[in-house]
Amino acid sequence: NAGVTQTPKFRILKIGQSMTLQCTQDMNHNYMYWYRQDPGMGLKLIYYSVGAGITDKGEVPNGYNVSRSTTEDFPLRLELAAPSQTSVYFCASSYSIAGGNEQFFGPGTRLTVL
Amino acid sequence: AQSVSQHNHHVILSEAASLELGCNYSYGGTVNLFWYVQYPGQHLQLLLKYFSGDPLVKGIKGFEAEFIKSKFSFNLRKPSVQWSDTAEYFCAVHPGFADKLIFGTGTRLQVFP
Repeated sequence: NAGVTQTPKFRILKIGQSMTLQCTQDMNHNYMYWYRQDPGMGLKLIYYSVGAGITDKGEVPNGYNVSRSTTEDFPLRLELAAPSQTSVYFCASSYSIAGGNEQFFGPGTRLTVL
Repeated sequence: AQSVSQHNHHVILSEAASLELGCNYSYGGTVNLFWYVQYPGQHLQLLLKYFSGDPLVKGIKGFEAEFIKSKFSFNLRKPSVQWSDTAEYFCAVHPGFADKLIFGTGTRLQVFP
């Protein structure tokens, strides 16, 4: 199993550009999550999904959109990039919340908006 | 609101020193508890977890954590740290049947030889 994979690993955007961060998991997990990590701020939940076709907002959803058309994929879309979106983005997945919601993380995407 | 507090933001130790990182949470019901580790330039990996049973949990690389329900705490310990333990450590709580984890802000550990 590859686990959780994310592409790209690095990206530089100009203000106002758009892009999609890809996330795929091959563990047949129902739950998927997008976080951003800023220095000294820990992990902030952007969006999450409890299954295909179902998404919900986390703590910091503004400026982002998600979709979940399949169990495996959970792309994160930035429509109009802003410098405040410079961050490291992690995707995670878990099989079930019953028994604890242990999450498995991808390698991250480092995004810089100039 | 539910929250997780990690009071130590940055810890600096010499090799062979003992380590204890604090984690407190605010939720009165049943919880599942996690410690994740993030080595420099890498993604988060699970260090250990508590679901039920023995409140003293042993994880990988000699780490352990103790769940003290009365104190709402889940502190991480290691008797003797190594240079390779240099990393950021995150405590996370799964309250009840929530759809998500609540993460602390992390503790950066630097171990010098």
